[in-house]
Amino acid sequence: NAGVMQNPRHLVRRRGQEARLRCSPMKGHSHVYWYRQLPEEGLKFMVYLQKENIIDESGMPKERFSAEFPKEGPSILRIQQVVRGDSAAYFCASSPGTLDQPQHFGDGTRLSIL
Amino acid sequence: GESVGLHLPTLSVQEGDNSIINCAYSNSASDYFIWYKQESGKGPQFIIDIRSNMDKRQGQRVTVLLNKTVKHLSLQIAATQPGDSAVYFCAVNTGGFKTIFGAGTRLFVKA
Repeated sequence: NAGVMQNPRHLVRRRGQEARLRCSPMKGHSHVYWYRQLPEEGLKFMVYLQKENIIDESGMPKERFSAEFPKEGPSILRIQQVVRGDSAAYFCASSPGTLDQPQHFGDGTRLSIL
Repeated sequence: GESVGLHLPTLSVQEGDNSIINCAYSNSASDYFIWYKQESGKGPQFIIDIRSNMDKRQGQRVTVLLNKTVKHLSLQIAATQPGDSAVYFCAVNTGGFKTIFGAGTRLFVKA
């Protein structure tokens, strides 16, 4: 009965390096969502994916950020050439492919940029 | 687009009292509403949801009220306990899968 699994829980990178955040959705869920959260703030939508397709990436910066959800394996949020401002908690959620169902969240990856 | 706001950034209640957390939304086409609880260091946890064809829904110690006329949503927690201390988010869907989250209210429960 595994929920949404994110790894790593904590990730430290130096400026200019790449960060890869992984998310395995709940069993039976075909939709994945990525959010960013700064301390004492709400969740900012980044991207919504279904298997092998990006459905809505309106919240994701055009440069350095990319996301994928391959046919096999976890969803990946990739941040290239990280900068200090990328430091945040990144949460992944998943939902089944039917409307009016809540998203279920993982416990996030806390990204720190040195 | 949708915007969701909360009336109070923090709420402090005495243990055993009832808590009411409010949320306003702007898009009258919003049709699905969710409340989440987020504890420190964890992801948001689903509490309760309500669809636009309802105005009230009850769970265990929690009730969600929806007033579509004034575009207002509230979460009521009965007999608030120390374990209820957390940040509470309302979230709104408008005809699809994308969910917009409010800024959150931090609930403090005083023993």
